[in-house]
Amino acid sequence: QKEVEQNSGPLSVPEGAIASLNCTYSDRGSQSFFWYRQYSGKSPELIMFIYSNGDKEDGRFTAQLNKASQYVSLLIRDSQPSDSATYLCAVGNAGNNRKLIWGLGTSLAVNP
Amino acid sequence: DGGITQSPKYLFRKEGQNVTLSCEQNLNHDAMYWYRQDPGQGLRLIYYSQIVNDFQKGDIAEGYSVSREKKESFPLTVTSAQKNPTAFYLCASNEGHTGNTIYFGEGSWLTVV
Repeated sequence: QKEVEQNSGPLSVPEGAIASLNCTYSDRGSQSFFWYRQYSGKSPELIMFIYSNGDKEDGRFTAQLNKASQYVSLLIRDSQPSDSATYLCAVGNAGNNRKLIWGLGTSLAVNP
Repeated sequence: DGGITQSPKYLFRKEGQNVTLSCEQNLNHDAMYWYRQDPGQGLRLIYYSQIVNDFQKGDIAEGYSVSREKKESFPLTVTSAQKNPTAFYLCASNEGHTGNTIYFGEGSWLTVV
């Protein structure tokens, strides 16, 4: 059973701090990794994707991938109250790119 | 604007009734998906379609049916056989063979009354 695991949280950080969200996956054949943000009652929206080991930065967001250790993380710098949401990690593999495996999400609360 | 349109946003169903949720995309995506989301259970795949006139069952297909007669459209019918249909339903799409970044519609809330 291929799995993606996330700490459900809630993760609470003060405004302006760095929020660190982690995700581990079981399938070593995984090749694509996604972070989505979901506000309460809304649909998920894509934040970032990463395919290669290392860091990928986009504005205040940085995705970090370590395939050897089978984890992917999302760092949010200068956290804002508007970042308060659930963050979903999704993983895909070359064998079946069309079916992503989803984590249950981590709830993030940024306190003013 | 390009995107995925789901309708209705809110739907109430009486027990024993079938209901159909609409999903239309103008992104020219080959693949389309239906997910169900319940509190604390994350996203679960109901059905997906990689090409017109073809679709496959996901992890929780029982009590649901779909069709893919047009590239742009992938409606989901929640039948009376679905015992616990109250949930948030999400339609999504992606390019299929060229990439698997999934984009979601705004979702449809179904409540059984």
